Amino acid sequence: DGGITQSPKYLFRKEGQNVTLSCEQNLNHDAMYWYRQDPGQGLRLIYYSQIVNDFQKGDIAEGYSVSREKKESFPLTVTSAQKNPTAFYLCASSDVGTGTNYGYTFGSGTRLTVV
Amino acid sequence: GDSVTQMEGPVTLSEEAFLTINCTYTATGYPSLFWYVQYPGEGLQLLLKATKADDKGSNKGFEATYRKETTSFHLEKGSVQVSDSAVYFCARLNNAGNMLTFGGGTRLMVKP
Repeated sequence: DGGITQSPKYLFRKEGQNVTLSCEQNLNHDAMYWYRQDPGQGLRLIYYSQIVNDFQKGDIAEGYSVSREKKESFPLTVTSAQKNPTAFYLCASSDVGTGTNYGYTFGSGTRLTVV
Repeated sequence: GDSVTQMEGPVTLSEEAFLTINCTYTATGYPSLFWYVQYPGEGLQLLLKATKADDKGSNKGFEATYRKETTSFHLEKGSVQVSDSAVYFCARLNNAGNMLTFGGGTRLMVKP
């Protein structure tokens, strides 16, 4: 079955550490996105990528980094510069440019906690 | 720019009550519109969509009609169940077709 997989489901980070969240899709989608969700809040866009080897900052990119070396993969690194990283992180993908508007497919999320 | 406004929650209903969650969008062009649902601890799932004016999206007893004249896409269900308790997000697609703008989400709690 096609889908989008995020791992791990739960992640604990010590102060000052970098951590990388994985996002893999086998939907052959061109575009991928990272969102942050705080408790009881909506979605805030961190980074997005419309094509391999290219990505753009979203609304809250500070303290985060991404790469897009393969179409299937869009890992997010939460760096030590992100002062309040505890949140629920969601990855999504979409099939842009085909004329069909199916919106986004989301992963099941990674919950990151600073300990 | 593009924006989506949803009614603030939480919305608390008894089982079998009628549900309406309001959603309005900025009217730049004729965007595709979506409703997503998020169950606790999970990602978002597409609930329904509409791609042009007067379209009605429907799924699992939920419906929403694309109203160009009022720039609205309200979500309705005739009889809610406890299992419908979740957070619901309205979204619009930008004119380039490559980015969704989400509303702030509305939490629905259904009591038995």
